[in-house]
Formats: sequence, structure tokens, C-alpha cells
Amino acid sequence: EAGVVQSPRYKIIEKKQPVAFWCNPISGHNTLYWYRQNLGQGPELLIRYENEEAVDDSQLPKDRFSAERLKGVDSTLKIQPAELGDSAVYLCASSLKGQFTGELFFGEGSRLTVL
Amino acid sequence: KQEVTQIPAALSVPEGENLVLNCSFTDSAIYNLQWFRQDPGKGLTSLLLIQSSQREQTSGRLNASLDKSSGRSTLYIAASQPGDSATYLCAVRPRDTGNQFYFGTGTSLTVIP
Repeated sequence: EAGVVQSPRYKIIEKKQPVAFWCNPISGHNTLYWYRQNLGQGPELLIRYENEEAVDDSQLPKDRFSAERLKGVDSTLKIQPAELGDSAVYLCASSLKGQFTGELFFGEGSRLTVL
Repeated sequence: KQEVTQIPAALSVPEGENLVLNCSFTDSAIYNLQWFRQDPGKGLTSLLLIQSSQREQTSGRLNASLDKSSGRSTLYIAASQPGDSATYLCAVRPRDTGNQFYFGTGTSLTVIP
């Protein structure tokens, strides 16, 4: 069974340009998370979805970040315009909805470099 | 807010040594605790998941323990190998936030051949 799939793996852009990341969670996992990880740090939550609903987006910088999860399956995270400080690894994860004891699974991440 | 701490930040051991990685958290009201491994440039790979009702979990050379009352978990790695070199992170799922996870900053392990 396929794990969490993310693309692209790497992206280099100039500041003020837009960028988008895509994630497909494990089949049957209705809870989807977007995390940002800076070098030497643990992942920090940006947004969490239960099906199509964003239930926790308190850490998402809404002036430049947006996310969507149409049909409750795959998800897209967008940054527009990108800033130098957005350089990080963007991780997508999923777990089984309604299972507070469920395991969290991550994709390989998308490494963003803003020049 | 739950805070998760991992000490030391980095650890270097000779091959074959048994070692313990530490994870501490401030609020003992958790659903579970999960240990992950992260190789450079990669995502996080789940190693062990310990439910709040459990005291330990084992997988191969790995053994994770959980002491909720003291807010601590340890990851024991037996007979370390160079291939174990990676960053190890722990994450807790607090009861008051449901599906939220809080991560430590990780311990970077180097096993010297």
C-alpha cells in the first residue's frame, strides 16, 4: 500500500514568486496535516483537516499561505508571495480519522528554498 | 500548551553500544506518544507508537517506554549500528486537543564504525 505522497520534492524560487505543494494521504486516512520544519527543529503544524474541513489553521500565516483539500482526499498548500523566511521543509502527514490512538504517517517532504 | 523536550540534542557512540534517547513532556494527559526517525533530507519514519495505557513497545532492537506520571519516554537502541545514524524525534498527542501532535526538536545520533 502506498504511503503519503508529496510533490515536488524540491523547489527553488525567487522571493515574491508563488509556489504550491501537493499531498496525497494514505488511503482511508481522513485526517491530513501540513507541517513546516526548519533546520534542527521539530515539525510545526500549519493546518489540519478532518475530511474537507480545516479544523485547526491557527498557525497558518493567512496573509500569504492558503490550503485546500477538495473532496477530502488530496491537498494543496500554496504560498503567495514567498518570502526568504519561508525556506523550510513542508511535510504532509495523515492519520486515521476518529482514532485518537492512531499512528501518524509522513510523506518525504517538499524542500523549499527561497532566493 | 504541551511542551516536548529531547535531551541531548546530539549523541555520538561507537558501534555496538546500547544507548538511550530521552523525551520529556509537560502534560501527562496524552492519548499516545510516537517515536520517529528522520534521515537527512527525508520525511519522518514511524518507529514505535505507545498508547497511554501501555508501558512499553518493542520492535527489533528498539524498545520504547512510557511513564506518563513523570512525563517521560525513553527509546532504547540495542547493539547500535552505523545505519542507526539519524535524528530521532518524539511526538505526543494530548487529550485536550484530540488530533493534534506536539514534537520535540530531536536527538541527532551518530554511530561510529
